[in-house]
Amino acid sequence: DSGVTQTPKHLITATGQRVTLRCSPRSGDLSVYWYQQSLDQGLQFLIQYYNGEERAKGNILERFSAQQFPDLHSELNLSSLELGDSALYFCASGGPNTEAFFGQGTRLTVV
Amino acid sequence: GQSLEQPSEVTAVEGAIVQINCTYQTSGFYGLSWYQQHDGGAPTFLSYNALDGLEETGRFSSFLSRSDSYGYLLLQELQMKDSASYFCAVNNQGGKLIFGQGTELSVKP
Repeated sequence: DSGVTQTPKHLITATGQRVTLRCSPRSGDLSVYWYQQSLDQGLQFLIQYYNGEERAKGNILERFSAQQFPDLHSELNLSSLELGDSALYFCASGGPNTEAFFGQGTRLTVV
Repeated sequence: GQSLEQPSEVTAVEGAIVQINCTYQTSGFYGLSWYQQHDGGAPTFLSYNALDGLEETGRFSSFLSRSDSYGYLLLQELQMKDSASYFCAVNNQGGKLIFGQGTELSVKP
């Protein structure tokens, strides 16, 4: 158990809809990172939050947004969903340049 | 741009040694990490190299040459449970990870 909690584990939704993925980092970690993994692909960095503030942005679509709350949990919002958004979405926490701890992921299926 | 290259798949037999290479081209390099992932599960940390040289952790070792933008993961005494995907990742500014496409390792009896 990495200590990083993600919910839900699975999500099936229709095109055009909006979903929210939730992540609770390890106790004491201030940073949260979101990654997207499409089928048989590597993990693509989406966005990082540190202590409530956006710290870095990767290849995140404008239809996607995230935030980190005062209790340090984070939410990734995906809107106007398309079939191509179907993927595993991972959240990770940890310090810079050290081990990253990943949650079990949310498997999103857009139909 | 930033890119990492690693072989897409490797096959080896139980008890053997296998090396997975990784070359990278990136800015803001702080180190090279390796992660293991079983069947779409959570990636788990294996090793991290910030400086040139070899890091050994049990059956796994990792090497880095910053001047060559090259690293490798060495797995010894392979076991069936080592069948998984292995990702190299550049540790970038702020702690974000830039991942390679992954190497699928199949260990045969």
